[in-house]
Amino acid sequence: SQQGEEDPQALSIQEGENATMNCSYKTSINNLQWYRQNSGRGLVHLILIRSNEREKHSGRLRVTLDTSKKSSSLLITASRAADTASYFCATVSNTGNQFYFGTGTSLTVIP
Amino acid sequence: GAGVSQTPSNKVTEKGKYVELRCDPISGHTALYWYRQSLGQGPEFLIYFQGTGAADDSGLPNDRFFAVRPEGSVSTLKIQRTERGDSAVYLCASSLISARQGNEQFFGPGTRLTVL
Repeated sequence: SQQGEEDPQALSIQEGENATMNCSYKTSINNLQWYRQNSGRGLVHLILIRSNEREKHSGRLRVTLDTSKKSSSLLITASRAADTASYFCATVSNTGNQFYFGTGTSLTVIP
Repeated sequence: GAGVSQTPSNKVTEKGKYVELRCDPISGHTALYWYRQSLGQGPEFLIYFQGTGAADDSGLPNDRFFAVRPEGSVSTLKIQRTERGDSAVYLCASSLISARQGNEQFFGPGTRLTVL
């Protein structure tokens, strides 16, 4: 079964706006990773945040992690049409090697 | 090659048949993962290899599914007596050490399996 859930399921914004996606998970984690998937293609790693980190930046991406609430958020600033894709969070548990993906957020950036 | 490759890209089979899906990970990556992704869903973990051994196969749905990685490189996912519910995209990913140790996974393009 899926470990996490993303919210919202779908998001549509204008180019230049910021996009925020949230992820909730269920168990204690070692790290949390965000991936992007373009339609019909494999997943591409975006950013990783460890359980002892609270915030991380990479280019236009900002990720936060709140282990007390078991949640993470991904912020994409100054969105571009090319950011249109599905975004997934994935967690690795502290106790095993399973890698659980959430249900994904489908982001559409309108030019 | 530069990335993870999977063959075939598409596989159509009939219910009850046996199929093999192949994954070529990035050279030097010791960790290899198989996932299954249904339409509109996130990838579902199936099995994790560290080297030649299946370190965690808890995601395999039943005993019709089996995977091997005999030389610690190429892996084959085998599905016996396929059922229509097995239809999905099967994704393979590799990482340098393991996702738990904080390594990113590199995904292949997937094999789209259709069971008629």
